[in-house]
Amino acid sequence: KAGVTQTPRYLIKTRGQQVTLSCSPISGHRSVSWYQQTPGQGLQFLFEYFSETQRNKGNFPGRFSGRQFSNSRSEMNVSTLELGDSALYLCASGKEAENSPLHFGNGTRLTVT
Amino acid sequence: QKEVEQDPGPLSVPEGAIVSLNCTYSNSAFQYFMWYRQYSRKGPELLMYTYSSGNKEDGRFTAQVDKSSKYISLFIRDSQPSDSATYLCAMSAWETSGSRLTFGEGTQLTVNP
Repeated sequence: KAGVTQTPRYLIKTRGQQVTLSCSPISGHRSVSWYQQTPGQGLQFLFEYFSETQRNKGNFPGRFSGRQFSNSRSEMNVSTLELGDSALYLCASGKEAENSPLHFGNGTRLTVT
Repeated sequence: QKEVEQDPGPLSVPEGAIVSLNCTYSNSAFQYFMWYRQYSRKGPELLMYTYSSGNKEDGRFTAQVDKSSKYISLFIRDSQPSDSATYLCAMSAWETSGSRLTFGEGTQLTVNP
C-alpha cells in the first residue's frame, strides 16, 4: 500500500514569490493535515482538511492556504514568500475525521532565498 | 510554557541498551498519544499510538502513559544502530472540529555499535 506522497521533494524560491505544494494521501484516507517543521519551532500544525472542507487551522498568517479535492488529494499554497518560510512542509493523512493516527509523507523542503 | 515538553538530548547509548524517552504535558484535554521516529531527510514514522493510561507493547517498543502525572514514555529494548533517529512524542485532544497534533521538540538518539 502506497504511503503519503508529497511533491516536489525540494524547492528553491525567491522572497516575494508564491509556491504550491502537493500531497496525495494514503488510499482510503479522507483527512489531510499540513505541518511546518523548522529547527527552532519544531513541528507546527498548519491546517486540516476533511471532505474538501477546512476543519481546523493553526496559528499561521493568511499567506498560508490550502485546499482538498474530491479525491482527497491536497495542495498547500504560500504567497509572498519570506525568508522565514524556509522549512520542511509535511503532509499527513488519517483514516477518519477525528483522532485517527496520522501517517506522514517525507515532506517538501522549501528554501526561500 | 510549551504544552508538550521533551528533552532534545542528544542521547547516546551503546548497542543493546534499554532506552527511555519521555515527554510531559500540561493540557489535561490531551487524550491520544503517539510516538514517531524520524530519520534524517525523512518524514515522521508512526511507532506507537495509544489513548489510555498504562502500557502498550509492540516488539522492542513499549509506550507508557500516566495521565494523572501528565507523563508519557517510550522504552526501546535491545537498541540497535538502526534505531538512531529523532523520536517525537505527539498528542491530541478530542475536538468536534477535527484533530490536530501537538508535538514535543524531539529527542535525538544515537545507538553506537
